[in-house]
Amino acid sequence: QIQLVQSGPELKKPGETVRISCKASGYTFTNYGMNWVKQAPGKGLKWMGWINTYTGEPTYADDFKGRFALSLETSASTAFLQINNLKNEDMTTFFCARRNHYGGAYYALDYWGQGTSVTVSS
Amino acid sequence: DIQMNQSPSSLSASLGDTITITCHASQNINVWLSWYQQKPGNIPKLLIYKASNLHTGVPSRFSGSGSGTGFALTISSLQPEDIATYYCQQGQSYPSTFGGGTKLEIK
Repeated sequence: QIQLVQSGPELKKPGETVRISCKASGYTFTNYGMNWVKQAPGKGLKWMGWINTYTGEPTYADDFKGRFALSLETSASTAFLQINNLKNEDMTTFFCARRNHYGGAYYALDYWGQGTSVTVSS
Repeated sequence: DIQMNQSPSSLSASLGDTITITCHASQNINVWLSWYQQKPGNIPKLLIYKASNLHTGVPSRFSGSGSGTGFALTISSLQPEDIATYYCQQGQSYPSTFGGGTKLEIK
């Protein structure tokens, strides 16, 4: 069955770097892009960007350009989200989600990881 | 960016009721809309894609409709397991955007 398994919760200090992994199984990794979505405690969903798992090309939403980096280890069917220079506003839960195209450029996020919470505290 | 406005932001209904959540896009998005369900303490799950198509395993009491800028998610015969927050999302134009969510509670 299709699964996305993310790395565990992180406790970091402001200014540090965190790297979250998302390991896919049950499908051909390079056939589907990987998206990342942020959810602050008690808040809604915010799309951060996605990475083309075939080419490795990342695309970021404007709010996530600069300190955020998406990457892959294709041989391990794993996607990564790295956040540099952590700030208090990064204290939230991050989800990876598989991007499935249902027509043209349109896509939906059909499978999600379990989420990784990041705590930023000095 | 395309803004997605959901209403209501919260909703209380009785078991067995039929409820409708609406989502309005700030631009024409054709049928390029998805709905997600997030139960308390759980991950979001895809319910409906391309405005009206049920994702695998989603009960038939869920249905989606609409095109252009106006969309609706209808849940008929409300069940206890439907307690969740529901989100719409446009997944065609960059950047993808979600509605603010509708929290559904049982009376």
